[in-house]
Amino acid sequence: SAVISQKPSRDICQRGTSLTIQCQVDSQVTMMFWYRQQPGQSLTLIATANQGSEATYESGFVIDKFPISRPNLTFSTLTVSNMSPEDSSIYLCSVQRTGIYEQYFGPGTRLTVT
Amino acid sequence: AQRVTQPEKLLSVFKGAPVELKCNYSYSGSPELFWYVQYSRQRLQLLLRHISRESIKGFTADLNKGETSFHLKKPFAQEEDSAMYYCALGDDKIIFGKGTRLHILP
Repeated sequence: SAVISQKPSRDICQRGTSLTIQCQVDSQVTMMFWYRQQPGQSLTLIATANQGSEATYESGFVIDKFPISRPNLTFSTLTVSNMSPEDSSIYLCSVQRTGIYEQYFGPGTRLTVT
Repeated sequence: AQRVTQPEKLLSVFKGAPVELKCNYSYSGSPELFWYVQYSRQRLQLLLRHISRESIKGFTADLNKGETSFHLKKPFAQEEDSAMYYCALGDDKIIFGKGTRLHILP
């Protein structure tokens, strides 16, 4: 298994500002992902955070809006840029080990944009 | 294209009654399938995977390749089973279904 922490756990932000969410894992993992979970909705994959290279974004998500960093195998950040109320959601970090399809999830960051 | 379908958004079941959460998938090859669960105010966690063929918290799921299904079952529902359940398919990344909220009625 893997222990994952996220910071902040929640935040209330004004529209037009940006928020950076941190994800820390207690051991080295190959694959890290960022998801969004809007109220009452399922998980939507935003991107795969690749160590040492640009993140791989899913359809509908772009780097300018959701820049991601992955400086090493235990840490990643997701920035939600130029926020609007539609960005209000829970943002989840998850990790997966190579060849093993089980994912471990962080506790999530609850973002409210006013 | 790979896809996971959970047809029910909400399933209400009386305590003690059998539970079946439906999941169908679309995948060309031998899939790896999972059920994840999210209890209230807790993080999403793996419930079971088809490869291990185990029973967790009384839940089982059988892979039916002919019907491309991986339904989650429990013979007698308990109140603590109330949660959000996600069926998932493993590829180079995991593909999640939209989830079914299970509500156990007293």
